[in-house]
Amino acid sequence: TQLLEQSPQFLSIQEGENLTVYCNSSSVFSSLQWYRQEPGEGPVLLVTVVTGGEVKKLKRLTFQFGDARKDSSLHITAAQPGDTGLYLCAGGGNAGNMLTFGGGTRLMVKP
Amino acid sequence: DAGVIQSPRHEVTEMGQEVTLRCKPISGHDYLFWYRQTMMRGLELLIYFNNNVPIDDSGMPEDRFSAKMPNASFSTLKIQPSEPRDSAVYFCASSSTNKWTSRETQYFGPGTRLLVL
Repeated sequence: TQLLEQSPQFLSIQEGENLTVYCNSSSVFSSLQWYRQEPGEGPVLLVTVVTGGEVKKLKRLTFQFGDARKDSSLHITAAQPGDTGLYLCAGGGNAGNMLTFGGGTRLMVKP
Repeated sequence: DAGVIQSPRHEVTEMGQEVTLRCKPISGHDYLFWYRQTMMRGLELLIYFNNNVPIDDSGMPEDRFSAKMPNASFSTLKIQPSEPRDSAVYFCASSSTNKWTSRETQYFGPGTRLLVL
């Protein structure tokens, strides 16, 4: 069974701080996705990385896929209250378009 | 385009009652997934369909849970009888193997928040 572990599980920071969220596995994935979920809503895709070592930037968010395609990180620069939410990583390459989801990192950014 | 539609958004019922959750996937998507989300267990895959056919239901917790997809635009998840431990947020998601879209990207509905008393 493929598992994805996210750390930290909870993170509370002040506006303007930087943070990094990690997503680790002992399994290799063909792709790694990051979703953000706001209260009362479903998860929404932020980015997909598919190549080992790939780095993608989305404004203040930087996503990296590990060289061995077993891990990923999400770095947020100068966090804002609007970044508050649950961040989920998900590994692809399974049968039938299935994704393996991590347990999530719950981020709160205080003004 | 309309996203994934789920109904009802909230459901409060008493233990022992039947609960039916509904989902309309994005038009043209050939995969449909049902998830359950709780604080303790996170997001769990219950079952998924491909072209209306159930492919993997190993995540369905018990025989009290059943899911159907009678056509490409509608799916239901039924719990009968419901129990307090079924209280959770249930999400439906769809995806497409269409080469013009990002394969494996799942589009989630807003969820149904179920409370069983």
